[in-house]
Amino acid sequence: AQSVTQPDIHITVSEGASLELRCNYSYGATPYLFWYVQSPGQGLQLLLKYFSGDTLVQGIKGFEAEFKRSQSSFNLRKPSVHWSDAAEYFCAVGARLNQAGTALIFGKGTTLSVSS
Amino acid sequence: GAGVSQSPSNKVTEKGKDVELRCDPISGHTALYWYRQRLGQGLEFLIYFQGNSAPDKSGLPSDRFSAERTGESVSTLTIQRTQQEDSAVYLCASSSQPLRTGLTEAFFGQGTRLTVV
Repeated sequence: AQSVTQPDIHITVSEGASLELRCNYSYGATPYLFWYVQSPGQGLQLLLKYFSGDTLVQGIKGFEAEFKRSQSSFNLRKPSVHWSDAAEYFCAVGARLNQAGTALIFGKGTTLSVSS
Repeated sequence: GAGVSQSPSNKVTEKGKDVELRCDPISGHTALYWYRQRLGQGLEFLIYFQGNSAPDKSGLPSDRFSAERTGESVSTLTIQRTQQEDSAVYLCASSSQPLRTGLTEAFFGQGTRLTVV
């Protein structure tokens, strides 16, 4: 069955430090992979997505992610974190639904806190 | 509209009552999804519509949950005889085509926060 694992429930990073959020997926075929961010009181916003091609994907707000098939991973990175990056981050895989389409299957999320 | 709209934004209901949650997708989006997000949890897939049809209802937690979509637009998620474990944020998303094409993304609404007391 398709699944997404985000091993870190909560991470605290100092402002200006680098960030890496981990994501591992389980999916039989070529995955479509996504990272979403959910800020307090806000809806989910897409940060970036991977469908094919270059395994290093650039997103909004200075985020990037690297798809590594051999490790079944799609980790999210940012070289320098800003206080406004504090939020909940969700990794998702686009999974086939009984041959009837595709839906996003989400991990449980990682809460990012930024300290000054 | 400009984005996915959900109403109400907050709903408090008594245990045993029925509730209806509404989703207005982005105009022209053929695919519509409902998710449930319990406190501190990830998003749990409930149901998917392609047009007005729901080819996959496997995510609905129980027969108290049902959903419909009309006019390839508005969708309603109904929970009958609500229980306290139904308390969660219910999120709706739409996309311009099924995600299997890999050519689009899902746009999410702000959600309806349901509290069953």
